Parts: sequence; C-alpha cells; structure tokens
Amino acid sequence: AQKVTQAQTEISVVEKEDVTLDCVYETRDTTYYLFWYKQPPSGELVFLIRRNSFDEQNEISGRYSWNFQKSTSSFNFTITASQVVDSAVYFCALSEAGSGNTGKLIFGQGTTLQVKP
Amino acid sequence: EPEVTQTPSHQVTQMGQEVILRCVPISNHLYFYWYRQILGQKVEFLVSFYNNEISEKSEIFDDQFSVERPDGSNFTLKIRSTKLEDSAMYFCASWQDRGTDTQYFGPGTRLTVL
Repeated sequence: AQKVTQAQTEISVVEKEDVTLDCVYETRDTTYYLFWYKQPPSGELVFLIRRNSFDEQNEISGRYSWNFQKSTSSFNFTITASQVVDSAVYFCALSEAGSGNTGKLIFGQGTTLQVKP
Repeated sequence: EPEVTQTPSHQVTQMGQEVILRCVPISNHLYFYWYRQILGQKVEFLVSFYNNEISEKSEIFDDQFSVERPDGSNFTLKIRSTKLEDSAMYFCASWQDRGTDTQYFGPGTRLTVL
C-alpha cells in the first residue's frame, strides 16, 4: 500500500533560521514520483518540486533544497534562511507510476510552518 | 501560463441538495482528478478520469458522487444529496503526461453544507 508520513505537525522558527520538513513514504512500486506542494493561507496548492524514483540527485532552487534518499524512503525539504512569507502548510505527496496506476497523488498530513519575524 | 480554473469559489448549500462543482482543466492535458480537503486535514484523492471514463475512485467516492466531462473542456463533480460531512475544499487537478511535469491544481471550491 502507498503511504506518506509527515511526522512534524507544526514547526515554528524565527526568520533567517534554516528548517527541514521531513517526509517518509511507502510504496511497493519501483517507479514512482514524489512531490512537494505549498498551501499558503489563501488555500491554493502551489507546486514546488517533482522527483522521479530513479533520480536520487538532490536539488536546490534558491533557498529551497530537497534531499531524496531511497535507502530510507525519505524526501526531505529544507528552507534556508526562512522568511515570513514561507509560512504555510507544506504537503509531501507520492504517485505510483507502475502499469495500471492512474497517477493519483497520495498526500501526507502536512506540516504547518510558522516563521516569526 | 495555462491554469486550471474552478467555479464557484465558494458554494453554500442545504443538506440534501445537489451541487455541481465545475473545473476547466488545462487544454492539452489528458488526466483529470478531483481531491477534497476537509478543513485542517490532508488532501484526499476522490477520483481520476482518463479517456472519458473513471480510471480509479476512492472509497469516499460513493454513489452520491459522479463526474462528467461533457464537452471536452469542462470537468464536473456532482454530489447528488449533500451531507454535512461533505463540507470541504474540493480541488480539481489535471496532468498532461504522467511521465513528466506535474499535476496542476485549480484554486479549489469551498463547499459548505448547512
């Protein structure tokens, strides 16, 4: 069965601190995609990154970086030098890509990040 | 940049009434989805739609729910007889090619059942 766990329900940091959001997933498929979405207070889901299971390269985009480790089934997200505008709920999601799969996303519970000035 | 649109942004209805939530996916996308998010909870998959038919549905998607793509552009979710527990944000998403790119989400419709 597929499952995504975000064990951190809420994190509070002070501006300029670095913060890491954890994501652990379970799947039986050998081919899958992992995603991070941001949900600001306005409610929309904003795509941040997609990772294919065969690509374990870490990625950096500005202040954001992602650490994908298949050995531990984790796909963690780090924000460097956090800013107040980073305050949001962050969701990790999994989509299995094997034959017969429909592409549905399975989301974790989300981590609420509060960045205080 | 192309985007998924949803109408209305907020729908208030009485328990037992039928509602139709509308979505216009991105035009060259092939895979369509509905998700819901009860306030403060995670986003849950409801149904996927491909090649003019349902390809998968969750256990939430019971006989009270139906989806249609009536005219090649709109993608609708109908709830036949709403219950209080149907109150949630409903997101539509579309995906061009599952091998690349990502699912793009609409802004959501907040459904309130009184």
